[in-house]
Amino acid sequence: KNQVEQSPQSLIILEGKNCTLQCNYTVSPFSNLRWYKQDTGRGPVSLTIMTFSENTKSNGRYTATLDADTKQSSLHITASQLSDSASYICVVSDRGSTLGRLYFGRGTQLTVWP
Amino acid sequence: EADIYQTPRYLVIGTGKKITLECSQTMGHDKMYWYQQDPGMELHLIHYSYGVNSTEKGDLSSESTVSRIRTEHFPLTLESARPSHTSQYLCASSERALGGPYNEQFFGPGTRLTVL
Repeated sequence: KNQVEQSPQSLIILEGKNCTLQCNYTVSPFSNLRWYKQDTGRGPVSLTIMTFSENTKSNGRYTATLDADTKQSSLHITASQLSDSASYICVVSDRGSTLGRLYFGRGTQLTVWP
Repeated sequence: EADIYQTPRYLVIGTGKKITLECSQTMGHDKMYWYQQDPGMELHLIHYSYGVNSTEKGDLSSESTVSRIRTEHFPLTLESARPSHTSQYLCASSERALGGPYNEQFFGPGTRLTVL
C-alpha cells in the first residue's frame, strides 16, 4: 500500500532555532517528492521538489534531502522565523499512471515562538 | 496574473441545501483536481479532470459532483448538504505533462464548508 508517514506530528521551537522534519514513504514506482508549506486556512505551496537522482535541494532557509534507497526525506529549516509557523506536508508522486497521482502525508504542524 | 481562485472562502449552510463551490484557474492548465481535507489529516482526492468534458472520481468516495465545460472552470456541487460534508475543500491544477516528473499541482486557497 502506498503511504507517506511524517514525524513529528507537531513541533514547537523558538525563533532563530533550526529544526528538521522527517518523511518516510512506501510509494512505488517513485517519481518525485515534494515538500509543501500550508498556512492555516490556505492551500499548500510547493517549497522543493526532488526526483530519484537528486539527494538534496535548497530553497532559501529550507533544505530538503532524499534517500531513495531507504525511502526517507527530511526538511531542514534554518534560523526559523515566526512566519515559518505552518503545516509542512510531504507529498510523493508515482509514475505509474498518466495522472501522476500524489500521496500526501498528514503534515508536521510547526509553531515558532518569539 | 496567473493564479487559481476559489469562492466562497467560507460557507456556513443548513442541512439539505444545494451548494456549488467555484474554482477557476488562469494558468491554462489542462488537469484540475478537488481535494477534501479535515484538520490534522492528509488531503484526499475526490474528483479530477484531464480537460474539457473529462471528469473522474478520486480515491475518496464523495457525494459531490463536478463538471468541466470550460478549461479554466471546475465547479463542485453538493445537491443536498449534510453535516458529514463539513470540511475544507481544495482545488488544484497542473499542466498536462504526460510522463513528466515535474507535474506540480498548484492549489487554490480553499473553501471552508460548515453544514449545520
